[in-house]
Amino acid sequence: AQSVAQPEDQVNVAEGNPLTVKCTYSVSGNPYLFWYVQYPNRGLQFLLKYITGDNLVKGSYGFEAEFNKSQTSFHLKKPSALVSDSALYFCADGGGYNKLIFGAGTRLAVHP
Amino acid sequence: GAVVSQHPSRVICKSGTSVKIECRSLDFQATTMFWYRQFPKQSLMLMATSNEGSKATYEQGVEKDKFLINHASLTLSTLTVTSAHPEDSSFYICSALKGGVSYEQYFGPGTRLTVT
Repeated sequence: AQSVAQPEDQVNVAEGNPLTVKCTYSVSGNPYLFWYVQYPNRGLQFLLKYITGDNLVKGSYGFEAEFNKSQTSFHLKKPSALVSDSALYFCADGGGYNKLIFGAGTRLAVHP
Repeated sequence: GAVVSQHPSRVICKSGTSVKIECRSLDFQATTMFWYRQFPKQSLMLMATSNEGSKATYEQGVEKDKFLINHASLTLSTLTVTSAHPEDSSFYICSALKGGVSYEQYFGPGTRLTVT
């Protein structure tokens, strides 16, 4: 069965420092991986996706993610965090019948 | 663009009543929409897949008679919570597949349902 794991409930980082939000996947076949961000009482906003092609994917708001097949990971990164990046981040796999299977979410807190 | 709206954004209803939530794709047609439920500080749980012109496909454990889904047009899907109870209080989010292309889901802003 396909699954997505986000091992960290919360990530704390100082403004200006690089950030990483971790995601690992377990799927049969090719993974179709996504990152979404959610602000309080709001729906999900798409950040980026990996379907095929370059392993390094660049997305919205300066975020990027690297698909690593050997480590079955798709970690979200940003070189310099902003306080406004503080939100809930979800990794998801969309490999089955267009359904998205979400990870548990990671709360990112960027401190001034 | 690809914009999905939900209405209402917030609703409070009394136990035993029914409430309808609308999900609209504003600038594209969507043959498939999805309904999710999110509990506080938790991930999204897929409730059902809504297909235009046919019956919705419900995930295991989701009561189809309680959560009625209708996808009558290519731009509108509705979720009706029937005989609501306080445990139905949650954040409901819909998404829509754009143009039938796999993996391009666009999410609505969500509806906060509170059952008193």
